[in-house]
Amino acid sequence: NAGVTQTPKFQVLKTGQSMTLQCAQDMNHEYMSWYRQDPGMGLRLIHYSVGAGITDQGEVPNGYNVSRSTTEDFPLRLLSAAPSQTSVYFCASSYSYLAGGSDTQYFGPGTRLTVL
Amino acid sequence: GENVEQHPSTLSVQEGDSAVIKCTYSDSASNYFPWYKQELGKGPQLIIDIRSNVGEKKDQRIAVTLNKTAKHFSLHITETQPEDSAVYFCAARLLDQGGKLIFGQGTELSVKP
Repeated sequence: NAGVTQTPKFQVLKTGQSMTLQCAQDMNHEYMSWYRQDPGMGLRLIHYSVGAGITDQGEVPNGYNVSRSTTEDFPLRLLSAAPSQTSVYFCASSYSYLAGGSDTQYFGPGTRLTVL
Repeated sequence: GENVEQHPSTLSVQEGDSAVIKCTYSDSASNYFPWYKQELGKGPQLIIDIRSNVGEKKDQRIAVTLNKTAKHFSLHITETQPEDSAVYFCAARLLDQGGKLIFGQGTELSVKP
């Protein structure tokens, strides 16, 4: 099991550029989510998905898009990067607690993004 | 909106001492409270969790207590070791929105040898 994988590990963008952060998990988890981590603010939820084809917004969704075409993959797209999106991004996955399975969330290693 | 407050933001202890981190939550319907440890350059890792039908849970040197009435829960680390140095996050799960987790702001624990 590779667990939750994220690519790239580091990325530098210029303002206005777009890019996609990749996230994949091999644990057959229904629930996947994206967080951003900023100093002193903990982890804030950007978007989440409870299964393939189903996505919803979290606390800070503006400027980000997601899709979930397969159970394994949950990419995060930045449409037009802004300096305020400089952050560390984490993807996480778990079984759905609604299905009665273990709801431990497993985090990926993160992507450090800098927008100039 | 729902939030989780975590204190202190930094904590420094001598090796062998105990460390306590406290969190309060706002959503009285929350029923699951995990604690994560994050080492430098890595993603958070679950170290212990507790559900609302239990008041205390222990795993070796780590324990978590929950007071549902007061809506607060705490992490206790006994006999601290230098490898316990990391950032610790508490979280509370909401019952709606897919069961999303709301995280506290984090506590940077430093254990001095």
